[in-house]
Amino acid sequence: EAGVVQSPRYKIIEKKQPVAFWCNPISGHNTLYWYRQNLGQGPELLIRYENEEAVDDSQLPKDRFSAERLKGVDSTLKIQPAELGDSAVYLCASSQTGDRVNTEAFFGQGTRLTVV
Amino acid sequence: KNQVEQSPQSLIILEGKNCTLQCNYTVSPFSNLRWYKQDTGRGPVSLTIMTFSENTKSNGRYTATLDADTKQSSLHITASQLSDSASYICVVSANPRDYKLSFGAGTTVTVRA
Repeated sequence: EAGVVQSPRYKIIEKKQPVAFWCNPISGHNTLYWYRQNLGQGPELLIRYENEEAVDDSQLPKDRFSAERLKGVDSTLKIQPAELGDSAVYLCASSQTGDRVNTEAFFGQGTRLTVV
Repeated sequence: KNQVEQSPQSLIILEGKNCTLQCNYTVSPFSNLRWYKQDTGRGPVSLTIMTFSENTKSNGRYTATLDADTKQSSLHITASQLSDSASYICVVSANPRDYKLSFGAGTTVTVRA
């Protein structure tokens, strides 16, 4: 079974440029998460989707970040314009809806963004 | 202030030795606690998950303990191998209905031959 797939793996852009990340969750997983992980830190939630609905985007910097999950499957996360402080690893994760006590989130390999 | 604190921040051990990582949390109410292993350049991979009623769980050479009264957990690695070199992240879930996860900053383990 394929895991969570993210692309690209690495991205280097100049500040003020736009950038987009793509995530394909595990088949059948209704819940999708985008996290940002700074060096030496744990992941921080940016947004969580239940199917195509964003149910928690309280930590998403909405002035420059946007996300979508059309048809409740793949998702894209966009930053426009990027700032130097956006350099981080962006992780996508997915999980099944249901018994949340034991529900496990599966993570992709992440996209390492470097803004120069 | 982070609701999940891990210690030590990093440690170096010799191959074959044991080590124990600590996780203290203030997240409340408590639903479950997970330990993830994150290899360099990879996403986190789940090692164990424990609910309120469980106080120990093993996965091969990894054994996690949980004391929900003192809000402490530990991850013990037995007979370490070079492949154990990674960051180990403690993750606490407060509410099973909204699935909000609180992540620790991780402990970086380096195993040397």
